[in-house]
Amino acid sequence: EVQLVESGGGLVQPGGSLRLSCGTSGFTFKDYWMSWVRQAPGQGLEWVANIKGDGGEKYYVDSVKGRFTVSRDNAKNSLSLQMNSLRVEDTAVYYCARDGSALYYWGQGIPVTVSS
Amino acid sequence: EIVLTQSPGTLSLSPGDRATLSCRASENVNSKYLAWYQQKPGQAPRLLIYGASSRATGIPDRFSGSGSGTDFTLTISRLEPEDFAVYYCQQWGNSQWTFGQGTKVEI
Repeated sequence: EVQLVESGGGLVQPGGSLRLSCGTSGFTFKDYWMSWVRQAPGQGLEWVANIKGDGGEKYYVDSVKGRFTVSRDNAKNSLSLQMNSLRVEDTAVYYCARDGSALYYWGQGIPVTVSS
Repeated sequence: EIVLTQSPGTLSLSPGDRATLSCRASENVNSKYLAWYQQKPGQAPRLLIYGASSRATGIPDRFSGSGSGTDFTLTISRLEPEDFAVYYCQQWGNSQWTFGQGTKVEI
């Protein structure tokens, strides 16, 4: 059974940093692209970033370029999202998802609140 | 960025009705990377359709997807009570995923 579990969310002040993690099991992690998707309160879905199986390609939505960094540890079957210079508008539930021709499997999501 | 526009914003129907949801792209989309998701309150999205018309594992056959180019459709042939939710289309192009703004199917 494929499982994705996010951790590391919480409350942070504007300008602060936070690191999200996504632990995975049930599939060969290194063979798959992985994505982060977020959803602001009461809003729709917004893709944030993804990373190729070997970590050699990464893509980001324009609004987080230069502030967020996606990475992975294939030995630990783990995905990360380092979020710096956080803004109030980054407040959302963040999901990790297994990527491919669609986002096939999703974690349960982790809330991130940016507020003073 | 390829913009996806979903219509209608809200669809008010009854169990047993047919639901037709539209997703229109601002430019041609590779159908291989066109997907539909269902999301219920407090839950993560669930993949319904990938490749514009292929049902994901475990998805009932009352859900079907069609379309190509810039126009795509999700059809629910006979609504069940558990189908009332928000539906999103999604595409990959220009090195990013984009989502439509969602269609809420309500009773």
